[in-house]
Amino acid sequence: EVQLVESGGGLVKPGGSLRLSCAASGFSLSSYNMNWVRQAPGKGLEWVSYMSSGDGIMSYADSVKGRFTISRDNAKNSLFLQMNSLRAEDTAVYYCARDLFVRQWPTTFDYWGQGTLVTVSS
Amino acid sequence: DIVMTQSPDSLAVSLGERATINCKSSQSLLYSSNNKNYLSWYQLKPGQPPKLLTYWASTRESGVPDRFSGSGSGTDFTLTISSLQAEDVAVYYCQQYYITPPTFGQGTKVEIK
Repeated sequence: EVQLVESGGGLVKPGGSLRLSCAASGFSLSSYNMNWVRQAPGKGLEWVSYMSSGDGIMSYADSVKGRFTISRDNAKNSLFLQMNSLRAEDTAVYYCARDLFVRQWPTTFDYWGQGTLVTVSS
Repeated sequence: DIVMTQSPDSLAVSLGERATINCKSSQSLLYSSNNKNYLSWYQLKPGQPPKLLTYWASTRESGVPDRFSGSGSGTDFTLTISSLQAEDVAVYYCQQYYITPPTFGQGTKVEIK
């Protein structure tokens, strides 16, 4: 059974940093493209970042570019999101999500984790 | 970025009746080389992760009940729930994956009348 379990969320002050983790089971992370998607309180879904399976191509939403870094550890079957210079508007539930298709860009997402809440507040 | 606009923002439908949600994209999602529309629908319930319902505009994901159907092409798409069940109360989102960044509609809340 495919499972994605996020961790690492919490309360952080503006300007602070957090590192989110996503532990995958039931499939090999190295064979799939992976993403982070977030949902701010009372808002809709927003794609945040993508990493390809093979050559490690990365892409980011303009809202996080230069502040967030996506990475993966295939040996640990885990995906990460390093979040620096956090702002109040980064407050959201962060989901890791698996790409249904293997392309050089993010596509549609067939499996999602339960999410981890990040709150940026002083 | 491609802007996705859903309508209505919310709707209330009686149990067993049809629910129809519309999604309009700011540019065509039809890729001419494979004649596929790069459009998905998701269901989001409180406390649960999003669930993929359909992709390629009309292909139902494995395990999704056949009362859910997607249709449309180009810039106009529809998600239809043919006979609303109590467990279908949720917020529904369309999403384009034609170009990066993938973008979502604002969501449509479906409730029981």
